[in-house]
Amino acid sequence: GAGVSQSPSNKVTEKGKDVELRCDPISGHTALYWYRQSLGQGLEFLIYFQGNSAPDKSGLPSDRFSAERTGGSVSTLTIQRTQQEDSAVYLCASRRLAGILDTQYFGPGTRLTVL
Amino acid sequence: AQTVTQSQPEMSVQEAETVTLSCTYDTSENNYYLFWYKQPPSRQMILVIRQEAYKQQNATENRFSVNFQKAAKSFSLKISDSQLGDTAMYFCAFMATGNQFYFGTGTSLTVIP
Repeated sequence: GAGVSQSPSNKVTEKGKDVELRCDPISGHTALYWYRQSLGQGLEFLIYFQGNSAPDKSGLPSDRFSAERTGGSVSTLTIQRTQQEDSAVYLCASRRLAGILDTQYFGPGTRLTVL
Repeated sequence: AQTVTQSQPEMSVQEAETVTLSCTYDTSENNYYLFWYKQPPSRQMILVIRQEAYKQQNATENRFSVNFQKAAKSFSLKISDSQLGDTAMYFCAFMATGNQFYFGTGTSLTVIP
């Protein structure tokens, strides 16, 4: 079946603009994660959605970052008033979460460049 | 707080040889899970292998195996008979309660023909 998809694959924006990054998880997966991967760094957890529960937003770096998950499926990560330090690859992952060892399936990421 | 440390930013190995990637972690949890992910140049992260902390037996998946030392909080990945397709970034990850994953900074592995 189809994997996790993300769009756009690349985004170049000017400092101060808002951007929206989209994630389409695997159908039926109840859990969805957003990560940020900066050059030379590991994956930094941003936010986690699980079913209808309140999302875990503990990783969002500032109030310029927000995310939504509509209908328990598609998720959008929004970055307002982008800064150059926001430049990174943003990865989305989904999990079926039928069991604790359900693996994460990652999308190909969106490379964001803030000029 | 959970932390994951990968102390080898870059490694290389000759094709068909064996290489070991290191990972240490810090946690106060007793029940947790450890993972190795591979990220090739295509950026698509793929699960390589996983280990439950309560299992003493080291996990093995074909050419990939781990050396899990719970007391030392060490979780190394051994790749046997290295292949050119193994060239990638490798990330060690930890998950305990709360379903949040913690990743190391990665090791860039190059397999030399």
